[in-house]
Amino acid sequence: ETGVTQSPTHLIKTRGQQVTLRCSSQSGHNTVSWYQQALGQGPQFIFQYYREEENGRGNFPPRFSGLQFPNYSSELNVNALELDDSALYLCASSPGAGANVLTFGAGSRLTVL
Amino acid sequence: AQRVTQPEKLLSVFKGAPVELKCNYSYSGSPELFWYVQYSRQRLQLLLRHISRESIKGFTADLNKGETSFHLKKPFAQEEDSAMYYCALGRGDSNYQLIWGAGTKLIIKP
Repeated sequence: ETGVTQSPTHLIKTRGQQVTLRCSSQSGHNTVSWYQQALGQGPQFIFQYYREEENGRGNFPPRFSGLQFPNYSSELNVNALELDDSALYLCASSPGAGANVLTFGAGSRLTVL
Repeated sequence: AQRVTQPEKLLSVFKGAPVELKCNYSYSGSPELFWYVQYSRQRLQLLLRHISRESIKGFTADLNKGETSFHLKKPFAQEEDSAMYYCALGRGDSNYQLIWGAGTKLIIKP
């Protein structure tokens, strides 16, 4: 059984650029949630994907978008990067929509200069 | 608005002493509460959830709806309990997201 894998682990971008982060869900899980974690804070919910459809969204602007693929892997895209987007982005998978027992990846650390 | 408050950023206790990590929440509906833990250089992982009513690694947590609290307790702390602990709230009406506290760093001194 494989866990949740995220790539890249670290990346540096400049303001205004675009970034794509990737996540492979744990075997048997069909739901992926994305969270943003700023330094010293708890994770903040961005959105959840279930069976390739967005199943819920937090308080993030439209420049944060996502996809889920038929194999349940997922992407998070952020356009027009701002300095405040610098954070750890966590992907978590779960065995069903709305399920709150999450299996987390190690995260992608994004730095925006 | 829904909120989770963990009042202590840092808690330091001696090995063998009791531990209590506080969590208070604000939510008028039917909550689902969780404790997640992150050990050094490891991923965030579920420790326990209130509906399971289990004891995991000696930790227990009781949901007190009157006080809107879900404090995490262990009678005798071990050095391996040193970690970052997060309390999280799931909402019964839109259960696709968790609302998280800022976390408490627990240090167990030898």
